[in-house]
Formats: sequence, structure tokens, C-alpha cells
Amino acid sequence: NAGVMQNPRHLVRRRGQEARLRCSPMKGHSHVYWYRQLPEEGLKFMVYLQKENIIDESGMPKERFSAEFPKEGPSILRIQQVVRGDSAAYFCASSPGGDKSGTQYFGPGTRLLVL
Amino acid sequence: LAKTTQPISMDSYEGQEVNITCSHNNIATNDYITWYQQFPSQGPRFIIQGYKTKVTNEVASLFIPADRKSSTLSLPRVSLSDTAVYYCLVAPLVSGGYNKLIFGAGTRLAVHP
Repeated sequence: NAGVMQNPRHLVRRRGQEARLRCSPMKGHSHVYWYRQLPEEGLKFMVYLQKENIIDESGMPKERFSAEFPKEGPSILRIQQVVRGDSAAYFCASSPGGDKSGTQYFGPGTRLLVL
Repeated sequence: LAKTTQPISMDSYEGQEVNITCSHNNIATNDYITWYQQFPSQGPRFIIQGYKTKVTNEVASLFIPADRKSSTLSLPRVSLSDTAVYYCLVAPLVSGGYNKLIFGAGTRLAVHP
């Protein structure tokens, strides 16, 4: 059973461009979470989605950031008009939902560098 | 959500037992304690989870005293490959398994030869 997949693993963008980060959850998992990690810091929650629904986006910046988890295909974290401060590692995690443990399984992350 | 406090860093040597303690004085009745491990350039990996007393799996043990205001992750006979950042998290498990994880800075464990 493949783990959580994220691509690309590394992404370089110039200021003002758009960044699209993709996450394929583990097979059978219907819950997806996105986190951001700055160097030497812990992960910060951004958004929680179920299929076709955003459940909690309290950690998402109000502008330029959006996320979706369509019925078919991977979850997408989209950052418009990137700025240098968006440079970070972005991790996706998934969980099966209905699982009492709430354990989340993380992908390898996408490292975004904004020049 | 309960705040957690853990040492910023620890050093150990191969073969030793390592104990990392986490304080969570404001833990709520329905909170669980979960530990994750993160290697450089990788996502966090679940290690162990518990509510009270002691939990053991093939990787680690988790000791939780009766008042639950702290917990200790115990790694037996560490090796160089255990060098990583260890995060202690405290959160309730709501219906459906939704759990917004709050990560602190973690404890950087360095295992030396």
C-alpha cells in the first residue's frame, strides 16, 4: 500500500508566479490535511479537507492561498502570486476518517523556494 | 488545545536508552498524547499514542503518570538512525477522527557513535 504521495518534491518559483502542490492520500483515506513548516520550526496546520469539502481552513492565509480535494484526483494546494515569505516545506497528511486514533500519515513534503 | 513543553535538544550515544519528557499541565480530560518523529527532509511519522499509564509498541514506550500533566517517550537502545526531531502533541480525538495537530518546536535528538 503506497504511502502519501506529494509532488513535486521541490518547486522553484519567482515572485508573482503561481505554485501548485499536489497530494495523493493513502488508498482508502478520505481526509486530507495540509501543513506548512518553516526552517527550524514545527509544522503549522493550514487546512483540513474531505472529498469535495473544506472542513477547516482556519490556518490558511486569507489571500492568495486555496485548497481543494476533488471527487477524483489529488488534493491541490494553490498559492497565487507567491512572495519570498511563502518559501517553506509544505506537508500533506491523510487519515481514513472514522478512525478513533486520529493518526495522520504524512507525505514527504514539497519544498517551495521563491526567488 | 493544551500547550506542550519539551526540551529543545538532547544528546545520547548508541545503545543507550533515551527518555524525552513532555509537560502538558493543561491537558483536558478527553485529550490524548501522541508522539511523532521527523527526519530531515521528510514528513513526520507517528510513533506512539496513549491516554494514561503505559503504552508500548515495537518502537518505543510511552509513560503517562496518573495526573497526566506530563509524559515520557522512552526509546530503548538508540542507534544513529534515531537522530531526529521528536514532537509531543496533545489533542482530543473528536468523532470521525478529525484531529488538527498542533506541533511545537520539538526535541532534536542527536545520537553519537
